[in-house]
Amino acid sequence: AQTVTQSQPEMSVQEAETVTLSCTYDTSESDYYLFWYKQPPSRQMILVIRQEAYKQQNATENRFSVNFQKAAKSFSLKISDSQLGDAAMYFCACRSGTSYGKLTFGQGTILTVHP
Amino acid sequence: DAGVIQSPRHEVTEMGQEVTLRCKPISGHNSLFWYRQTMMRGLELLIYFNNNVPIDDSGMPEDRFSAKMPNASFSTLKIQPSEPRDSAVYFCASSWGVTSTDTQYFGPGTRLTVL
Repeated sequence: AQTVTQSQPEMSVQEAETVTLSCTYDTSESDYYLFWYKQPPSRQMILVIRQEAYKQQNATENRFSVNFQKAAKSFSLKISDSQLGDAAMYFCACRSGTSYGKLTFGQGTILTVHP
Repeated sequence: DAGVIQSPRHEVTEMGQEVTLRCKPISGHNSLFWYRQTMMRGLELLIYFNNNVPIDDSGMPEDRFSAKMPNASFSTLKIQPSEPRDSAVYFCASSWGVTSTDTQYFGPGTRLTVL
C-alpha cells in the first residue's frame, strides 16, 4: 500500500515570489512515479510535473521544479515567479509499478497568490 | 487534441433515482479510470479499465455503483439507487497504459448532488 501526505492544508505567496509545497510519501516499491497535479476552481485536474523514482535529476517544467529526496521519501514542488493563475489546490500523487493504474493522492494544499 | 470529455458537468437528482455519468477518453488511450472526490475522503480511485476490461473495482463503494466500458471511446458510471452521501465530484481519467510510466489525464469532472 502507498500513502501520500501533504502536511500544509494552505499556503500563500506574493505574486512574483517563490513558494514550496511539501509532500512525503511511503511505498515499498522500487519502481514508482510521483506527480503534482493542479486543480483550479474550474475543478479540472491538470498535470504539473512528474518525477521518475529511478532518476536522480529533479524534474523541471518552466517555473515549476521538484526537490526529490528519495531516501527521505520527500517530493516538494517549487513554484518560482508565482503568478495569479497559479492559485489552485495542488495534489501530490504516487503511482507504483505494481499498483497498475492506481494513483494515490495526498490531501491537497490550497495555494493563494496575493497581488 | 480533445482531452477527456465528461458529461454532464453538473447533475442534481433526488435520492433513489438512477444516475449515469459518461466519459469519453482521449483517442488512442487504452486505460480509463473513474475517481471520486469528496471533502472527507479526498480523491479515491473507484475502478479502472484496460483495453475495455475492468481490472480493479475494489474502490467501488457498494453494489449500487456499476461501471461499463462497451468500447474504447466510451464509459459509464451508474449509481442506482442514488443516495445523498454519493454527492461528490466524479472524475474520469485516461492514459496510454497502466504502468507507472503512464500519465493520467483527467476530464473536467461531474459534480453530482443527490438531494
